[in-house]
Amino acid sequence: SYELTQPPSMSVSPGQTARITCSGDALPKQYAYWYQQKPGQAPVLVIYKDSERPSGIPERFSGSSSGTIVTLTISGVQAEDEADYYCQSGDSSGTWVFGGGTKLTVL
Amino acid sequence: QVQLVQSGSELKKPGASVKVSCKASGYTFTNYGINWVRQAPGQGLEWMGWIDTSTGNPTYDQGFTGRFDFSLDTSVNTAYLQITNLKAEDTATYYCARDGTPAGTSFDYWGQGTLVTVSS
Repeated sequence: SYELTQPPSMSVSPGQTARITCSGDALPKQYAYWYQQKPGQAPVLVIYKDSERPSGIPERFSGSSSGTIVTLTISGVQAEDEADYYCQSGDSSGTWVFGGGTKLTVL
Repeated sequence: QVQLVQSGSELKKPGASVKVSCKASGYTFTNYGINWVRQAPGQGLEWMGWIDTSTGNPTYDQGFTGRFDFSLDTSVNTAYLQITNLKAEDTATYYCARDGTPAGTSFDYWGQGTLVTVSS
């Protein structure tokens, strides 16, 4: 299976914009999904099909795709957004792959 | 509302077996597959495979063949993960997640996770 690459960590001040990237060779052909995981909790889907937002997810979360890179953008970051974020995609054989995760710190 | 409720934490000795349950409610169980995801302590998410709840057919990702078994009891809307011949490196939190692929939403609902600790 192929790999999805994310930066291990990033930090942002409250109110600023966080952009978390995920790169993978199959991303031009496969949708990407994003999950938020807070300590001790199960992951929560925040973006599906590259840019769709599930009901209940704040509008400050958005997703985009360009070639082999997909991006999760959190606009006006709040303290409660501090978490690990994982991208996910599938490949042509029907398997799923997660990125290594990005730890977002809100300063 | 959709819920996946998993069984409680387990402490097992090396060589033993463990069976984790994932009980679904709030939707038609056989309309959505169930995925299993492993998360070792302090590590990322790892997809183990999934089970088609309409046929019972399991699919295992590489690295999760042989000692891992996915099964169902559709009469009680429950999926199971069994791990045999446990090793220390199996220590992890195991999650079940509904496969929302028919709706395009991927892993849209998750269980709360089950911590399996393997230690002598």
